[in-house]
Amino acid sequence: NAGVTQTPKFQVLKTGQSMTLQCAQDMNHEYMSWYRQDPGMGLRLIHYSVGAGITDQGEVPNGYNVSRSTTEDFPLRLLSAAPSQTSVYFCASSYRRGGTSYEQYFGPGTRLTVT
Amino acid sequence: GENVEQHPSTLSVQEGDSAVIKCTYSDSASNYFPWYKQELGKRPQLIIDIRSNVGEKKDQRIAVTLNKTAKHFSLHITETQPEDSAVYFCAARLTGGTSYGKLTFGQGTILTVHP
Repeated sequence: NAGVTQTPKFQVLKTGQSMTLQCAQDMNHEYMSWYRQDPGMGLRLIHYSVGAGITDQGEVPNGYNVSRSTTEDFPLRLLSAAPSQTSVYFCASSYRRGGTSYEQYFGPGTRLTVT
Repeated sequence: GENVEQHPSTLSVQEGDSAVIKCTYSDSASNYFPWYKQELGKRPQLIIDIRSNVGEKKDQRIAVTLNKTAKHFSLHITETQPEDSAVYFCAARLTGGTSYGKLTFGQGTILTVHP
């Protein structure tokens, strides 16, 4: 299994440009999430999905869109990039590991810079 | 929603000493509490987790304790080694409904173990 994969690894955008960060998992996990990581602020949830066709907002959803048409893929779209969106983005997938335990697997991350 | 506070933000210990990181959460409905380790430039990885019906869990040099009444949980690392140096994140997960799979993270603790 490849686990959780993300592309691209690095990206530089100009203010106002749009782009899609790709995320895929081959573990048949039902739950998928997008986080952004900024220094001193931990991991903040952007959007998440509990299954194909079902998505919901996290803590910091503004400026981002998601869709989940298949179990495997969960792309994150930046509508009009702003310097405040400069961050490291992690995609994660998880499954219910018995009872209420949810082991979450992270992708390798995408480092995005908006100038 | 859930709010997770983590302390300290930085922790420096000598090799062989113990390290303790503490987290508090706000929503008494949270029932799953994982801890993640993130080495520099890498993705977060699960190191230990605990469910709300358990007070303590150990895995070799790592242990987690949970006090549901006080709404706090702690990570204990004994006999620390230089390779334990990393950023550690706690997280909490709410029960039920659309919160399935949704984790709220603390701000992170930078642990440095000096040889």
